[in-house]
Amino acid sequence: DAKTTQPPSMDCAEGRAANLPCNHSTISGNEYVYWYRQIHSQGPQYIIHGLKNNETNEMASLIITEDRKSSTLILPHATLRDTAVYYCIVRPPGRNYQLIWGAGTKLIIKP
Amino acid sequence: DGGITQSPKYLFRKEGQNVTLSCEQNLNHDAMYWYRQDPGQGLRLIYYSQIVNDFQKGDIAEGYSVSREKKESFPLTVTSAQKNPTAFYLCASSTRITGVGGEEQYFGPGTRLTVT
Repeated sequence: DAKTTQPPSMDCAEGRAANLPCNHSTISGNEYVYWYRQIHSQGPQYIIHGLKNNETNEMASLIITEDRKSSTLILPHATLRDTAVYYCIVRPPGRNYQLIWGAGTKLIIKP
Repeated sequence: DGGITQSPKYLFRKEGQNVTLSCEQNLNHDAMYWYRQDPGQGLRLIYYSQIVNDFQKGDIAEGYSVSREKKESFPLTVTSAQKNPTAFYLCASSTRITGVGGEEQYFGPGTRLTVT
C-alpha cells in the first residue's frame, strides 16, 4: 500500500492561498488520495478526495499530478480557523478501513 | 443534527481496571471504526465493524475489545491487558467499508483516556 510524505509544518498568511504538498510516489492506479484535517484536540474532518482528476469543493481544491505521484491541497483564502494538522492519505479501493495516517502537516495561519 | 457522539470527553482510570468508551452515531451508517492517537502521531486503527454483530481487528487490537449489538452503537473496552492505554481515542463511521470511492469517514470529538 502506498505511503505518503508531507512536510511537518508550514506557515501561511491569513487571506492568502495555502498550498499543502504531498508525495505518494508508490501509489497504484486505483488508489484514492484523501485529505483530512484535525484541529487541536478534535476529531479529524474530511476535506476532499480524488483519483485522477483535479477536484474542488466548498472547502478546498485538490490538484493531482498527471503521473499521480504527488498532489497539492489548496485552501484558496486561508483563515485563522484553518490552523490544523492536515493529513494526506492514500486508500486502496474497496478497503475504506485501510486509511494509513502519517504525522501530517501542521499548518499555521498567521494574521 | 446528525453526527457522532463520544462520551466522556475525559476519562481517568487506575491501572488494572477495564474501561468502556461510548460511541453513538445517528447517521444511519453501516460501518464504524475505533482509532487510537498518541501525541504528535497519526491515527491507528483498533477495530472496525461493517455491520451489526460483525467486527474485525485493526492494526493494534491487542488489549481492546468491542461489540456491535446495534447499528448506531460501537463501544470500545480498554482492558487491563493493554500495556499503554493512555491515549486519545476516536470513533468514526462511514456509509460502508467496501465502496469503490467516496465513503469518507465522519469522526466523533474523541475521548482522552488517562490511566495512572
